[in-house]
Amino acid sequence: KNEVEQSPQNLTAQEGEFITINCSYSVGISALHWLQQHPGGGIVSLFMLSSGKKKHGRLIATINIQEKHSSLHITASHPRDSAVYICAVNSGGGADGLTFGKGTHLIIQP
Amino acid sequence: KAGVTQTPRYLIKTRGQQVTLSCSPISGHRSVSWYQQTPGQGLQFLFEYFSETQRNKGNFPGRFSGRQFSNSRSEMNVSTLELGDSALYLCASSSRAGGRDEQFFGPGTRLTVL
Repeated sequence: KNEVEQSPQNLTAQEGEFITINCSYSVGISALHWLQQHPGGGIVSLFMLSSGKKKHGRLIATINIQEKHSSLHITASHPRDSAVYICAVNSGGGADGLTFGKGTHLIIQP
Repeated sequence: KAGVTQTPRYLIKTRGQQVTLSCSPISGHRSVSWYQQTPGQGLQFLFEYFSETQRNKGNFPGRFSGRQFSNSRSEMNVSTLELGDSALYLCASSSRAGGRDEQFFGPGTRLTVL
């Protein structure tokens, strides 16, 4: 069973700061997902990646398959980025569904 | 393109009752996955249906069951409700099975068991 660890658990930063959230997993995967959850519960998929790097607007996600590690970066952070960011992995073959990290609670202060 | 819809959005039940939650995926998506989110355990995978077949099942008791219809709509049922079943239940749809494709989440059903 894959174990997914995220760090930090909580992060408070000032508007404009560069943010990094980390995710490590224990067993090889076929895909890694970064999700965003706002208060009220709605979850939005930010990225799905299996290698390399993806960028969407101010968000960048990277993954290192050999080190079993992924990072989510937010450039020029804004208060509207305040949310819980969740890492989830799909182990090879997808036999067990997605396994989730506990999430990183991000607060961006103006 | 309409998003994933879930009904009802809120539900209050008492211990011992049963409940059925519904999820309508994005048009064309054949995979529907169900997840339970609680403050203590976070997000946990319940099961996945693809083309009317249960493809995967998480580590939950048999009181949790589901099904998928030919139009890809899915229902999950929880029988003999316990206080610990209080949670946000989310469904997500995708084109391919097994979490190998982007997941589109519904707004969730918040279940409270009294």
